[in-house]
Amino acid sequence: GAVVSQHPSWVICKSGTSVKIECRSLDFQATTMFWYRQFPKQSLMLMATSNEGSKATYEQGVEKDKFLINHASLTLSTLTVTSAHPEDSSFYICSARGDSRKQETQYFGPGTRLLVL
Amino acid sequence: GESVGLHLPTLSVQEGDNSIINCAYSNSASDYFIWYKQESGKGPQFIIDIRSNMDKRQGQRVTVLLNKTVKHLSLQIAATQPGDSAVYFCAESTGGGNKLTFGTGTQLKVEL
Repeated sequence: GAVVSQHPSWVICKSGTSVKIECRSLDFQATTMFWYRQFPKQSLMLMATSNEGSKATYEQGVEKDKFLINHASLTLSTLTVTSAHPEDSSFYICSARGDSRKQETQYFGPGTRLLVL
Repeated sequence: GESVGLHLPTLSVQEGDNSIINCAYSNSASDYFIWYKQESGKGPQFIIDIRSNMDKRQGQRVTVLLNKTVKHLSLQIAATQPGDSAVYFCAESTGGGNKLTFGTGTQLKVEL
């Protein structure tokens, strides 16, 4: 149980284009999903928290107009990197958790590697 | 030119030995702690968690110890195997597992 998927697993795009990453909870309903960013040899940095049906809460320093998050259903959240630039190249990871005490642990997706040329 | 990057703390152990990975946390209000394992190019994988009302919890080949007095968390892996090689992160939260704050990570290398 508690499987989270991400698509795509990797993407290469030209500077200025937008990229959408999907995060799905496959076997549970995720009331809350989280988006992280990770640079090589570094820890995970939380970008934003999204609850189903409401606006995402962004961490300080994360541009909400740059990183658009949509959590339209209990099993799907999307992160869109708008007008991507080379400095946006990173490993993006989502996590999901349910709404019961038994499901409070965050389970992570496999990550999406983004390379902006 | 030469590239400069961050270096994760590394723990090298012989196959079959026990591993102990340590983590210090700073928020005395944290009440939920998790250990994750991250293999290269993959997302973090849940290993074990512990609440602040406990000081020890055991899983399969793993034990987590929590010392709230000194704000210290450790992960013990028994009979370490080559498949245990990965980066291990501790994470803490307040309010029952909502927003997680991750530690810097430790690279575990298992030598044959």
